[in-house]
Amino acid sequence: QSALTQPASVSGSPGQSITISCTGTSSDVGSYNLVSWYQQHPGKAPKLMIYEGSKRPSGVSNRFSGSKSGNTASLTISGLQAEDEADYYCCSYAGSSTFVFGGGTKLTVL
Amino acid sequence: EVQLVESGGGLVQPGRSLRLSCAASGFTFDDYAMHWVRQAPGKGLEWVSGISWNSGSIGYADSVKGRFTISRDNAKNSLYLQMNSLRAEDTALYYCAKGTLLVPNHAEYFQHWGQGTLVTVSS
Repeated sequence: QSALTQPASVSGSPGQSITISCTGTSSDVGSYNLVSWYQQHPGKAPKLMIYEGSKRPSGVSNRFSGSKSGNTASLTISGLQAEDEADYYCCSYAGSSTFVFGGGTKLTVL
Repeated sequence: EVQLVESGGGLVQPGRSLRLSCAASGFTFDDYAMHWVRQAPGKGLEWVSGISWNSGSIGYADSVKGRFTISRDNAKNSLYLQMNSLRAEDTALYYCAKGTLLVPNHAEYFQHWGQGTLVTVSS
């Protein structure tokens, strides 16, 4: 159960697009297509942003999108806005009723 | 409206035990798996444990296996985490999270979260 690998930080200017990667192994991300992504603002509980790899819950902006290729899942945020500045975490099933999160990525909107 | 309210956190000495509770409301509790996720101060999220609707499927992170026990009482709409042999590295904010399936599998995700209860392990 090693944490999925995410970049520690990414940044972008308002209006730009950024992509956060989430790399696992053939035992987690590679085997299961349905990675989820969570946004967390300081002092707040995490919020579901993407589920089943690329689906958005009701109320989440369509500026957020998810994809996967091989052992790596990605979260793309287009048209960056100031309120997107937060920590982002990916999560994958790892078999036997267990799950693993990524280490988290701090997004800075310049 | 889904509500998850954690309780039971506090300051505890290394080696001692603590029991966390999560009171759920706003949904049919026994229709969903439930999970505990923790976050050490200034660190990332770590999945701790999950339990299926009928307690038939349970999983633990390697870091807590053999020390923590997850359970649920569907009659009381409550989720629990019994934490034994606590260590300094267990210090974290513990979140209760609602799943989306009866049994955790590859399609599971954490749809709703509580606000967390803080556990501090220190002498």
